[in-house]
Amino acid sequence: GAGVSQSPSNKVTEKGKDVELRCDPISGHTALYWYRQSLGQGLEFLIYFQGNSAPDKSGLPSDRFSAERTGGSVSTLTIQRTQQEDSAVYFCASSRRRGTGELFFGEGSRLTVL
Amino acid sequence: TQLLEQSPQFLSIQEGENLTVYCNSSSVFSSLQWYRQEPGEGPVLLVTVVTGGEVKKLKRLTFQFGDARKDSSLHITAAQPGDTGLYLCAGKESGNTPLVFGKGTRLSVIA
Repeated sequence: GAGVSQSPSNKVTEKGKDVELRCDPISGHTALYWYRQSLGQGLEFLIYFQGNSAPDKSGLPSDRFSAERTGGSVSTLTIQRTQQEDSAVYFCASSRRRGTGELFFGEGSRLTVL
Repeated sequence: TQLLEQSPQFLSIQEGENLTVYCNSSSVFSSLQWYRQEPGEGPVLLVTVVTGGEVKKLKRLTFQFGDARKDSSLHITAAQPGDTGLYLCAGKESGNTPLVFGKGTRLSVIA
């Protein structure tokens, strides 16, 4: 499809394991965001990629979290040594450009850490 | 510290009533957006406002950006059950800063 694609849609893991979440943004979108949403809460900003600029990592909650964006397209969010408090829905969004561009969201990856 | 404060957190009203939800901050934003999110889905953009004092209308929804570009409101006239959802405001302090979201107002419209 033409929208933002995220995988997996659901992931259940054990505490201490590493997980990778993938985002395939809309073709041609230069901006890519990762957010997470805990149950009943708003969206917590994690990291922002804009073109070839250095990513804004100011929202990453700890050094267990990292993300990369290869070739200006696909992005992977990695969480190492998962903890129960990492359980949330992780959303990826992309935008056509800087400034006031509309964000297009994927359907999210639901992570449950047992 | 939450950059954007939304109120109320929860709102349950009868079909046909009017309502207003608020988004406030001590920061100045170059632009502010409102999104609506339904269960199991990502948020979807409703409107973007960029000019202080700007008012935009989208059918029964009226959005206003404060004169100082620190706050915004969303007014819904004659609410319908289809308006049920989580309403999120989001702001950018400048073109190069990330879009940050408030915690949202969860609206339930009862038929």
